[in-house]
Amino acid sequence: IAGITQAPTSQILAAGRRMTLRCTQDMRHNAMYWYRQDLGLGLRLIHYSNTAGTTGKGEVPDGYSVSRANTDDFPLTLASAVPSQTSVYFCASSDGTSGGTDTQYFGPGTRLTVL
Amino acid sequence: GQNIDQPTEMTATEGAIVQINCTYQTSGFNGLFWYQQHAGEAPTFLSYNVLDGLEEKGRFSSFLSRSKGYSYLLLKELQMKDSASYLCAPMDSNYQLIWGAGTKLIIKP
Repeated sequence: IAGITQAPTSQILAAGRRMTLRCTQDMRHNAMYWYRQDLGLGLRLIHYSNTAGTTGKGEVPDGYSVSRANTDDFPLTLASAVPSQTSVYFCASSDGTSGGTDTQYFGPGTRLTVL
Repeated sequence: GQNIDQPTEMTATEGAIVQINCTYQTSGFNGLFWYQQHAGEAPTFLSYNVLDGLEEKGRFSSFLSRSKGYSYLLLKELQMKDSASYLCAPMDSNYQLIWGAGTKLIIKP
């Protein structure tokens, strides 16, 4: 593995179902992020984690949860998917040692469709 | 509130120069990032400015004026592979990136 991986690449999901998007990085980065990207809008931060064991809410956290049990993994869970959660989801990570101004590096994304 | 403004779409000719402008309003400021995003792919880092002035990196340069809340990305010697969206993202006082919707750059032969 080199960089950040996300799984699945794409998924079609029935409304009401539970879904976990996986994100793994092998760069030993402290900070990790989940964004969603919708057509015509900028990336919006869902949740973040500054270090293993801690998480925080971003701009659009409702309907999503995260955990950070270790440095490498940062899964995003949709407890009960709704059609408005149809989007492309990007996971990102940053070194977290420059006082917060580190460059973020992105995974390839997961395209999620909720019907 | 926090706001980013950049043109939705621009067209330029292969070999030419193009400037993509970005104006921003954020709660606090901790620098500004530019990313490139090809269709269907992830954003990739281009530049970071925290001080006023021009930062040059090969064919790409980025400029920042903090007092004016303004930045631009300058692309020289355009190549077809430069066709992509360019995302402006200032960082606010909480060290969170505030993303613009991006400028789609179309390069014509």
